[in-house]
Amino acid sequence: AQSVTQLGSHVSVSEGALVLLRCNYSSSVPPYLFWYVQYPNQGLQLLLKYTSAATLVKGINGFEAEFKKSETSFHLTKPSAHMSDAAEYFCAVSDNAGNMLTFGGGTRLMVKP
Amino acid sequence: NAGVTQTPKFQVLKTGQSMTLQCAQDMNHNSMYWYRQDPGMGLRLIYYSASEGTTDKGEVPNGYNVSRLNKREFSLRLESAAPSQTSVYFCASNRDSYNYGYTFGSGTRLTVV
Repeated sequence: AQSVTQLGSHVSVSEGALVLLRCNYSSSVPPYLFWYVQYPNQGLQLLLKYTSAATLVKGINGFEAEFKKSETSFHLTKPSAHMSDAAEYFCAVSDNAGNMLTFGGGTRLMVKP
Repeated sequence: NAGVTQTPKFQVLKTGQSMTLQCAQDMNHNSMYWYRQDPGMGLRLIYYSASEGTTDKGEVPNGYNVSRLNKREFSLRLESAAPSQTSVYFCASNRDSYNYGYTFGSGTRLTVV
């Protein structure tokens, strides 16, 4: 069975500060890992994905994530937060078949002016 | 370029009533999914259809049924709604069961009173 843990249900940063959203996973097989973003009253949009190629993955809107197998982590970062980054972020893991995308509980990012 | 369309967007049901949530995608995707989203619990898979003509249970299937009507449409039915089914429901699709990343609809907010 696979699972995802997102540390911190709420994260608050100042505009221009570093964004770090944490994700740890467990999987019995080499994982496929994803970050999604959800803006208020909308569905989820894919930010980036790791599928066993480069361990540093670049996504949309300046976000990136690094796959660290030894730490079973896939943390999401952005060097400088923007007000428009305020949203809820979900980390997800999938097995090789992709039939069961398992989500973490989500982290709500707040950006202060 | 509608993507994934869900109807209705909002619904209030009385306990014991039935309803069907509709989902259609226009991307010629093979795989479709129904998730429910509850605060602090992320998204949990209810049912999925890896391809036209097949459906399988996810993590939380009790109280729900699904129909893959054709390649485009995947409906979710609540036969006898319960307050525990108050949630936001998301439909998603994927090119196939490999990990291209899901496309989500904008959700149906269901309240059961």
